[in-house]
Amino acid sequence: NAGVTQTPKFQVLKTGQSMTLQCAQDMNHNSMYWYRQDPGMGLRLIYYSASEGTTDKGEVPNGYNVSRLNKREFSLRLESAAPSQTSVYFCASSDRGTGTQYFGPGTRLLVL
Amino acid sequence: EDKVVQSPLSLVVHEGDTVTLNCSYEVTNFRSLLWYKQEKKAPTFLFMLTSSGIEKKSGRLSSILDKKELFSILNITATQTGDSAVYLCAVPLTDSWGKLQFGAGTQVVVTP
Repeated sequence: NAGVTQTPKFQVLKTGQSMTLQCAQDMNHNSMYWYRQDPGMGLRLIYYSASEGTTDKGEVPNGYNVSRLNKREFSLRLESAAPSQTSVYFCASSDRGTGTQYFGPGTRLLVL
Repeated sequence: EDKVVQSPLSLVVHEGDTVTLNCSYEVTNFRSLLWYKQEKKAPTFLFMLTSSGIEKKSGRLSSILDKKELFSILNITATQTGDSAVYLCAVPLTDSWGKLQFGAGTQVVVTP
């Protein structure tokens, strides 16, 4: 039982490049989330998916897109990376019953 | 607007000391309050509190909720260097079960 997994663990991009961050959970959770964490800013919600087939914007969605591929997988795409998107990205999932979120190990992204 | 405020923002203690962290919140239709520990990786779940006055305990960590005064306390007794981390408090947002509003966190440093 792996919980929440994320790939890649670390990535360096040049400005304007695109990439997709992958997230998968094996806990049969309905809801999934993407956060970014910057020094001094705490965790900020980018997008979330309350259930399979639905996605909604969070606090800081600009520059990102998401896909809820199925119940297990939720990907985050940067179409044209910018240095301001340098951050640590966390994926999380939760059971609607408790609301407790469980986090993946994170992806450290550096945009030059 | 839902709000979560943690204090202090940071503190340094010696091994063996007791630490008390505070989390105050303003949420319409309060459901629960969550505590997470974040070392240099993903946040890990510690406690979920839903009822006022009932202490949750796990080893040297304990937490209690006061729904009348709208705050929670996380206590760590007999601190160890392994307790050094950022401790995050979060509450589910009013408009959507599952989305969490995080506080900025309290950075705890335990020195030998």
